[in-house]
Amino acid sequence: EAGVTQSPTHLIKTRGQQVTLRCSPISGHTSVYWYQQALGLGLQFLLWYDEGEERNRGNFPPRFSGRQFPNYSSELNVNALELEDSALYLCASSPGGLAGRINIQYFGAGTRLSVL
Amino acid sequence: GQQVMQIPQYQHVQEGEDFTTYCNSSTTLSNIQWYKQRPGGHPVFLIQLVKSGEVKKQKRLTFQFGEAKKNSSLHITATQTTDVGTYFCAGHSGAGSYQLTFGKGTKLSVIP
Repeated sequence: EAGVTQSPTHLIKTRGQQVTLRCSPISGHTSVYWYQQALGLGLQFLLWYDEGEERNRGNFPPRFSGRQFPNYSSELNVNALELEDSALYLCASSPGGLAGRINIQYFGAGTRLSVL
Repeated sequence: GQQVMQIPQYQHVQEGEDFTTYCNSSTTLSNIQWYKQRPGGHPVFLIQLVKSGEVKKQKRLTFQFGEAKKNSSLHITATQTTDVGTYFCAGHSGAGSYQLTFGKGTKLSVIP
């Protein structure tokens, strides 16, 4: 069974540019989570999608946005890149649903974004 | 909002020594999960604790969930170089929000 896949693995952008990161969840998982992991700052929650809907977002500016497609894959878009956006962006998936299940999150290998 | 604090931030131990990381939540948790991230890798699920006072073991790793379900610990006995990595706790409040709140992690270095 394929795990969570993310693309691209590495990305270099300059300030002010826009970037799109992609995530394919484990087959059968409907929830996708996005995290930012900057050096020394742990995992900062960005966004949670389930069944195509945005369920929650973390304390990030509106230039961080995303969407989930009917096949449950997801994109994270970051506009007007700033130097401090340089980080590892991790996507995780879980079986999802709002039925009160306690879901384990399965992480992808991440996209390393460098903003110059 | 819910906060999960984890200490220490860093720990250096000699191989064979024990290691413990502690996790404290500002609110009562419905469950807590632990993840390990090897250097250059991504977080990998280790275990989930649900019941008050629960203790679970995985070989040399012992996980505890506090009686009040607001704190947890991970203890590694006789560390090995393969234990190197960052250990994260993640709490789930269950209060209508199905996301996890991660602690900042404890980075473990093992000196051979």
